[in-house]
Amino acid sequence: SQQGEEDPQALSIQEGENATMNCSYKTSINNLQWYRQNSGRGLVHLILIRSNEREKHSGRLRVTLDTSKKSSSLLITASRAADTASYFCATDERGSNYKLTFGKGTLLTVNP
Amino acid sequence: EAQVTQNPRYLITVTGKKLTVTCSQNMNHEYMSWYRQDPGLGLRQIYYSMNVEVTDKGDVPEGYKVSRKEKRNFPLILESPSPNQTSLYFCASSLLRGMPDTQYFGPGTRLTVL
Repeated sequence: SQQGEEDPQALSIQEGENATMNCSYKTSINNLQWYRQNSGRGLVHLILIRSNEREKHSGRLRVTLDTSKKSSSLLITASRAADTASYFCATDERGSNYKLTFGKGTLLTVNP
Repeated sequence: EAQVTQNPRYLITVTGKKLTVTCSQNMNHEYMSWYRQDPGLGLRQIYYSMNVEVTDKGDVPEGYKVSRKEKRNFPLILESPSPNQTSLYFCASSLLRGMPDTQYFGPGTRLTVL
């Protein structure tokens, strides 16, 4: 079953703008991760936020986690054409016996 | 270079012809996993392994087998492939589960079953 669901499914912006993607999940989690995938290639880990954290930064990335709403957001600031990719959230469900569940992803297109 | 490798990268086969997709990692990771990715369905876990000789089913294990005889290798076996197993397959590994952990992905294997 799908745990994380990203929103929107697709997002198109101009270079320099900020991009915000959201992820909602259903059950209690240990942590939530964001991954990036360039077309047809392997996923690359971006950032991990633990269930007891509310916000985390890494370069131009900012991730927030609201466990009461079971949601997370990924903000990419000052976007570049090279940020064009699909972005996935993945949750590590509490009590899941080490299972990482991915959402369906948000396709981000950054136009030059 | 730390990496997860998969072979082959592309494979076209016919229904019923047994095949194996290999996965190897050089990071001494305990946890390894196989996913398939299909349009509109995202990534779905097929099988995972927490250590040598320990494997468990993921969300979509039907039609697949795995083995973990060595820490570095985690092959995916399709005993009798069918067209609905046409997909993009990813192997991933991580150091140690039980703690929040990053998964490292291989480059993918695009499988077509005719």
